[in-house]
Amino acid sequence: LAKTTQPISMDSYEGQEVNITCSHNNIATNDYITWYQQFPSQGPRFIIQGYKTKVTNEVASLFIPADRKSSTLSLPRVSLSDTAVYYCLVVSNTNAGKSTFGDGTTLTVKP
Amino acid sequence: DTAVSQTPKYLVTQMGNDKSIKCEQNLGHDTMYWYKQDSKKFLKIMFSYNNKELIINETVPNRFSPKSPDKAHLNLHINSLELGDSAVYFCASSPTGLEAETQYFGPGTRLLVL
Repeated sequence: LAKTTQPISMDSYEGQEVNITCSHNNIATNDYITWYQQFPSQGPRFIIQGYKTKVTNEVASLFIPADRKSSTLSLPRVSLSDTAVYYCLVVSNTNAGKSTFGDGTTLTVKP
Repeated sequence: DTAVSQTPKYLVTQMGNDKSIKCEQNLGHDTMYWYKQDSKKFLKIMFSYNNKELIINETVPNRFSPKSPDKAHLNLHINSLELGDSAVYFCASSPTGLEAETQYFGPGTRLLVL
């Protein structure tokens, strides 16, 4: 499994755009990048997944450069309710599920 | 309406006791998982089952015994509870078990061993 590295914590203010970068230098050809969000006292929730370039949905955007050794989760105009832990995972589309969640990034949004 | 449900939500017990946590999913998924999240928020997979068959067992002590009576249920029985078992246990499910699939998590069971 490709190991991921992401900042332990980040602070932001309401209305700002937040970018969380994840490094995955050993990503393999069959691997995708997936982000989950975990609110306090809840289970993780899928946010977005991508393979290359850019993916956007109603919650976030995911930017993946050509070498795929890193990715950036972008949250537009965050609010207090976006305070959560964000996990970056590298997952294979051919192997049975053995997802490693890592330490995640604790995002704190302040008023 | 709940996709993945777990019972109980909280569990406080004494060392040495045996306890069970139940999990049910109504998504029609073939694969279910158990994760353990410790106090440092590190989320680690313990087991996965596909259609009632054990697929992944991540070197978990044999005091932990998962049981899947059908593909919609995956229960976790823990014998001889130890202080270090205190954690939040999450159940999850995914359609077929491929790693890249979205996993749907339950609300968690907070276990405290005294």
